[in-house]
Amino acid sequence: GIQVEQSPPDLILQEGANSTLRCNFSDSVNNLQWFHQNPWGQLINLFYIPSGTKQNGRLSATTVATERYSLLYISSSQTTDSGVYFCAVNSGYSTLTFGKGTMLLVSP
Amino acid sequence: DAGVIQSPRHEVTEMGQEVTLRCKPISGHDYLFWYRQTMMRGLELLIYFNNNVPIDDSGMPEDRFSAKMPNASFSTLKIQPSEPRDSAVYFCASSLRGLYGYTFGSGTRLTVV
Repeated sequence: GIQVEQSPPDLILQEGANSTLRCNFSDSVNNLQWFHQNPWGQLINLFYIPSGTKQNGRLSATTVATERYSLLYISSSQTTDSGVYFCAVNSGYSTLTFGKGTMLLVSP
Repeated sequence: DAGVIQSPRHEVTEMGQEVTLRCKPISGHDYLFWYRQTMMRGLELLIYFNNNVPIDDSGMPEDRFSAKMPNASFSTLKIQPSEPRDSAVYFCASSLRGLYGYTFGSGTRLTVV
């Protein structure tokens, strides 16, 4: 099956800093989504982005499908951004394959 | 919409007991997914339904696990008998056409002692 690798596995930031999270995938995809799991365990859908660039407030994402990667940018990070960020893809079926996630800690 | 609703939020049970987890998907969504999350294995897809019909249950770990979706607004995941290694957070998610509006419930934290 398709492989999803996320980097870095862990990231510690000072509040106000910017960061870039990366997701590499092993095959062409027709669906790529980014999720945030907050410290209380809730999984929130951030972006549906099989290609191109999207922005939502301080967060933006870019997927370069031909090169099989996606980037999630967090600008002016806040403590509420802490948690685990997951990239998930599928390649023709209706199920998502999740990466292992990037754990982000933003300290005040 | 209230989102995907799961119950109970927490469940503690003794080994050997039957456990039933419940999920109400978002109205209008035609796909429903059950996931399990553990530290060791991350997020694993257990089973998914399309229009109430089970499509792929290859992720269900053993015959002790079963899932049903009797109608478009309700699904259950049952474990009988439960074992300590079943302890995990179980998530339900729903989406439109498998891709859009992918929304997770708050999860059920299951502890089997």
